[in-house]
Amino acid sequence: DVKVTQSSRYLVKRTGEKVFLECVQDMDHENMFWYRQDPGLGLRLIYFSYDVKMKEKGDIPEGYSVSREKKERFSLILESASTNQTSMYLCASTRGSHEQYFGPGTRLTVT
Amino acid sequence: AQKVTQAQTEISVVEKEDVTLDCVYETRDTTYYLFWYKQPPSGELVFLIRRNSFDEQNEISGRYSWNFQKSTSSFNFTITASQVVDSAVYFCALRWGYNKLIFGAGTRLAVHP
Repeated sequence: DVKVTQSSRYLVKRTGEKVFLECVQDMDHENMFWYRQDPGLGLRLIYFSYDVKMKEKGDIPEGYSVSREKKERFSLILESASTNQTSMYLCASTRGSHEQYFGPGTRLTVT
Repeated sequence: AQKVTQAQTEISVVEKEDVTLDCVYETRDTTYYLFWYKQPPSGELVFLIRRNSFDEQNEISGRYSWNFQKSTSSFNFTITASQVVDSAVYFCALRWGYNKLIFGAGTRLAVHP
């Protein structure tokens, strides 16, 4: 079974803090994704990566950056957290054009 | 522009009722994929089905069935004889570009005993 894990289920940070969200997959997938999920908006793509050190902006990249130094790990970085970044963050991975497999999500609260 | 619309925000049914979740999409691509995912209360999205734009055959998997109609740009999902375990948020999604998914807003289904 594909396994996508995320470093934390719940996280509380203060405004202005630098926040790292980690995602690891164990199926050698080349593509990895970060989404945020907000009520009434569904999931929106923040960034994705199709190979190590490669990244592309999604629909809402402002305020975020990413890092992919190893194939299995994809990190989402909030350089200076703000309250409007309070959300559920979901990581996913896939090989080629197949379905995406999702992690359990990190519920981030910025106070 | 790509867009996925799930007009039903919440649906409430009693166990054993049939329920249909609607999904309407917009795309200019001639080749695309459509997906349904289930998000139970635990939060993790679970893949249910993938359908490509060239395959309009309906799909049935146990109590689940999907009706894909290109003429109306719809990909609807029906649960027959619903059960409490079907309670979840269901998302329809459209794949475009290089593996980018655009999701609908989701439909929250509550199945009551």
